[in-house]
Amino acid sequence: AQSVAQPEDQVNVAEGNPLTVKCTYSVSGNPYLFWYVQYPNRGLQFLLKYITGDNLVKGSYGFEAEFNKSQTSFHLKKPSALVSDSALYFCAVRDRSSNTGKLIFGQGTTLQVKP
Amino acid sequence: NAGVTQTPKFQVLKTGQSMTLQCAQDMNHEYMSWYRQDPGMGLRLIHYSVGAGITDQGEVPNGYNVSRSTTEDFPLRLLSAAPSQTSVYFCASSYDRGHGSPLHFGNGTRLTVT
Repeated sequence: AQSVAQPEDQVNVAEGNPLTVKCTYSVSGNPYLFWYVQYPNRGLQFLLKYITGDNLVKGSYGFEAEFNKSQTSFHLKKPSALVSDSALYFCAVRDRSSNTGKLIFGQGTTLQVKP
Repeated sequence: NAGVTQTPKFQVLKTGQSMTLQCAQDMNHEYMSWYRQDPGMGLRLIHYSVGAGITDQGEVPNGYNVSRSTTEDFPLRLLSAAPSQTSVYFCASSYDRGHGSPLHFGNGTRLTVT
């Protein structure tokens, strides 16, 4: 079965430190990969995506993600965390062969950045 | 552009009542979808549409109906609400169903069924 795993329910980092939010997936072929962020009482906002090419993709607000095909991972990273980065982060994948357009979401990771 | 607009923001229903969650987008997106968000489960696809007049079921369609009479609107109907439908509902749209098009989400409708 296709699935996305975010192994950490919560990640705590100090402001100014680098952060990593982990994501691994189990989807056949070469899926499209996405990261979204959700602030309280808001919808999900698109951060970045991997389609093809360079394994390191850059997105909004200084975030980047590294695609690792052999480990089927797509970890979200930021060199220097801000308190305002505190939010709920979702990893999602889309099977390239899917005709539904469905995104398969992980369960989410809460990022807490402390001053 | 307003993006994806959902109404209402909050709703409380009694078991057995019906209601319609509204969704509209002004980006001329062909693809629209409904997800429900439950704690610890991420988001799950309820129904989707690849264009006006075309709808199909996602992974959790039972208890919900949809229609797509225009490109802009994609309402979700609960025919007879059940407590298991207590959730946060998100409408999302994208340029098309694939090719890496990211979904654009509305701000959600928080539904409680008592």
